[in-house]
Amino acid sequence: GEDVEQSLFLSVREGDSSVINCTYTDSSSTYLYWYKQEPGAGLQLLTYIFSNMDMKQDQRLTVLLNKKDKHLSLRIADTQTGDSAIYFCAEIRLYSGAGSYQLTFGKGTKLSVIP
Amino acid sequence: DSGVTQTPKHLITATGQRVTLRCSPRSGDLSVYWYQQSLDQGLQFLIQYYNGEERAKGNILERFSAQQFPDLHSELNLSSLELGDSALYFCASSPTGGESSYNEQFFGPGTRLTVL
Repeated sequence: GEDVEQSLFLSVREGDSSVINCTYTDSSSTYLYWYKQEPGAGLQLLTYIFSNMDMKQDQRLTVLLNKKDKHLSLRIADTQTGDSAIYFCAEIRLYSGAGSYQLTFGKGTKLSVIP
Repeated sequence: DSGVTQTPKHLITATGQRVTLRCSPRSGDLSVYWYQQSLDQGLQFLIQYYNGEERAKGNILERFSAQQFPDLHSELNLSSLELGDSALYFCASSPTGGESSYNEQFFGPGTRLTVL
């Protein structure tokens, strides 16, 4: 399909790991992104992965990329209440008529962390 | 704080009306992007301006228009408003025009539009 797909909700206990999954559509996407949206705020870039990588680790965050299945995941280790937010997966697509790359977002996964 | 500002924060208006949303990009950024976030459609790209010129168009309705001024701030004009236009409207900025596939965008806090 045309859409970037994510599950809408995830609930975890404080201290556990969270895994947020995403399926993207464009196999030629060179970069894939994870954005975080806290309540009442705009989106903030959390991390990204280049398409020639399988994994990227950044402190408590681990991004896994399976290009064959067009599957991306974000793992948050030792999840804290401050991690409660909406997490968006985004792929980059070329708008060929415009010659510019644009972000296409999933609908977001709302992560709730239970103390 | 991303450095991108949007005004107003909230806007309540009636069907059929016209509103203008304003965005100031980060200092030095040349591109401004507009997005609409609604519960059913998620985050939809509307339009991009780069250094005063329209660069790319997404799912923007004909009732909507935008412009970018010489000082690089941008306005999104929404007219003949319908109930379904109620949404969060985000502006984002980036240093470049999106020529590179690495395109980090910095988002403002959004304007919440409610159409009654």
